[in-house]
Amino acid sequence: EAQVTQNPRYLITVTGKKLTVTCSQNMNHEYMSWYRQDPGLGLRQIYYSMNVEVTDKGDVPEGYKVSRKEKRNFPLILESPSPNQTSLYFCASSLFPVVGANVLTFGAGSRLTVL
Amino acid sequence: GNSVTQMEGPVTLSEEAFLTINCTYTATGYPSLFWYVQYPGEGLQLLLKATKADDKGSNKGFEATYRKETTSFHLEKGSVQVSDSAVYFCALSENTGNQFYFGTGTSLTVIP
Repeated sequence: EAQVTQNPRYLITVTGKKLTVTCSQNMNHEYMSWYRQDPGLGLRQIYYSMNVEVTDKGDVPEGYKVSRKEKRNFPLILESPSPNQTSLYFCASSLFPVVGANVLTFGAGSRLTVL
Repeated sequence: GNSVTQMEGPVTLSEEAFLTINCTYTATGYPSLFWYVQYPGEGLQLLLKATKADDKGSNKGFEATYRKETTSFHLEKGSVQVSDSAVYFCALSENTGNQFYFGTGTSLTVIP
């Protein structure tokens, strides 16, 4: 089944403890991106990647890192999490720019709580 | 800069009622416009899209027309069903297609 898989789905951690949220897609997609969803703010883009070793900042990159060493994986790294990073995180991928408009396939989401 | 303004919710409708969710945007250049739907506990799914002015996107009875003169992309459905209950997001991607901007989402509940 074609899908974007995120792990963990739920995580409670403490301030300052480094964590990584993994994202993997099995569709051979070129483009991958991360978003955070907060009440009243909708989804905001954190980082995106056009291809292996090519990443760029979205609207809210502060406090996050990403890497794209392999085409299928795009982990989101929080080096020193803070409570304002408590949120619901989504990874997405697409065939863009191969085919038309950039239509995203989303993962199921990772709910992160930082105490 | 780029932004999307979406109708505040929540919206509650009776089954078979007409639905409109307003969406307006601000963008430089020629964005693509999207409606995504999020069912409880799931990620977002594409509902429909339009890539240029006057394009009409449609899917599952939902429609939206890309109006450049009013910078709008309102979502409509003639007769909603209980299964349409979800959160709806309007979104745009700018010229290059790399960066996305989402509205705040509108929660729709359809009651029998």
